[in-house]
Amino acid sequence: DAGVTQSPTHLIKTRGQHVTLRCSPISGHKSVSWYQQVLGQGPQFIFQYYEKEERGRGNFPDRFSARQFPNYSSELNVNALLLGDSALYLCASSLVVGGARTQYFGPGTRLTVL
Amino acid sequence: DQQVKQNSPSLSVQEGRISILNCDYTNSMFDYFLWYKKYPAEGPTFLISISSIKDKNEDGRFTVFLNKSAKHLSLHIVPSQPGDSAVYFCAASAQAGTALIFGKGTTLSVSS
Repeated sequence: DAGVTQSPTHLIKTRGQHVTLRCSPISGHKSVSWYQQVLGQGPQFIFQYYEKEERGRGNFPDRFSARQFPNYSSELNVNALLLGDSALYLCASSLVVGGARTQYFGPGTRLTVL
Repeated sequence: DQQVKQNSPSLSVQEGRISILNCDYTNSMFDYFLWYKKYPAEGPTFLISISSIKDKNEDGRFTVFLNKSAKHLSLHIVPSQPGDSAVYFCAASAQAGTALIFGKGTTLSVSS
């Protein structure tokens, strides 16, 4: 079975631009979470979606938004990009919220903001 | 304030020996703990997990120990292999919570 997939692999943007990152969960998984990882740190939670509804949000500004589609895939949007948004963005999927607790990660999207 | 701490940024071990990676947490609401391995330019790979109702979980060469009173967990890798060289992250979540809270990671180097 395919694991979590993310696109694009790499992305270069300039300050002030907008970016959309995409994620497809493992088949049968209904929950998708997004994390940001900067160099030297562990992944930091941004959002979790389950059944198209936001179930959790981390300490990120309103410039960050996300949504989940009926096929359980998800998009992460970031507006008005700042240099500090440069990071590896990770998507993780899990079967359900609360029950099966293990989240499985995709390869990530490397975003560079110039 | 970090809720999950991995105080050793790096660890070097010889092939065949035991690797012990440590993790401390502060939030008493955490009840599920996981270890992930990460290679450069890849996403974290799930290794092993443990629920707070247990104090040990074993999967092949990997064993996780949980000491709830000390709010401490450790990952033992026996025997260590050069392919185990990677960054290891400890993560925790609270009951019915959504987020995984990660430590900063420990870089393990296994030399042959």
